[in-house]
Amino acid sequence: QVQLVESGGGVVQPGRSLRLSCAASGFPFSTYAMQWVRQASGKGLEWVALISDDGSIKSYADSVKGRFTISRDSSKNTLYLQMNSLRVEDTAVYYCARDWGYSGSWPHDAFDIWGQGTMVSVSS
Amino acid sequence: DIQMTQSPSSLSASVGDRVTITCRASQSINTYLNWYQQKPGKAPRLLIYGTSSLQSEVPSRFSGSGSGTDFTLTISSLQPEDFATYYCQQSYNTLFTFGPGTKVDIK
Repeated sequence: QVQLVESGGGVVQPGRSLRLSCAASGFPFSTYAMQWVRQASGKGLEWVALISDDGSIKSYADSVKGRFTISRDSSKNTLYLQMNSLRVEDTAVYYCARDWGYSGSWPHDAFDIWGQGTMVSVSS
Repeated sequence: DIQMTQSPSSLSASVGDRVTITCRASQSINTYLNWYQQKPGKAPRLLIYGTSSLQSEVPSRFSGSGSGTDFTLTISSLQPEDFATYYCQQSYNTLFTFGPGTKVDIK
């Protein structure tokens, strides 16, 4: 079945790095743009980053720009989020999501498949 | 940047009630507005895309409307499984901003 499974979360000190992975299955990964969304405990959803289907287009929220890097390896059906210079305020559950181009006119899309999330805790 | 607001931030309702949630964008987003439902400890679920199109397997008691800057999500007859938090999201540009959410709980 169509599935996204995140991994790589954990506890890390401020200023350190962490790499999240999102393994996709059940659909042609290389034909979909992908997204990362995060949610701090008790808070709302915050869009983090996107990558186009071929990896040529990347976009980031201002809160992570210059610190986080999104990438993908279509040979492994895997999406990544490299997080450097982590801050306490980056503590959250991180979800990967499939970008569904319902309109046929990117980026007028919706996020139709979500992973279960992976927890990142930044603390000294 | 496009800012999204929602009202109310929370509401209490009973099973069978008609519930309406409002979402407003800081600038026109045409009809590029999506709605998600999230239950505690779970990932969000896409309910409505493009303002008014129901995602597959979403019950018909959910509906969406609006255009430009003002949008609504309506649940025509609230069911026990609908108690959750609802988020709007703009897909007019690639910053994909979410609204702050509306929590629907049991009266």
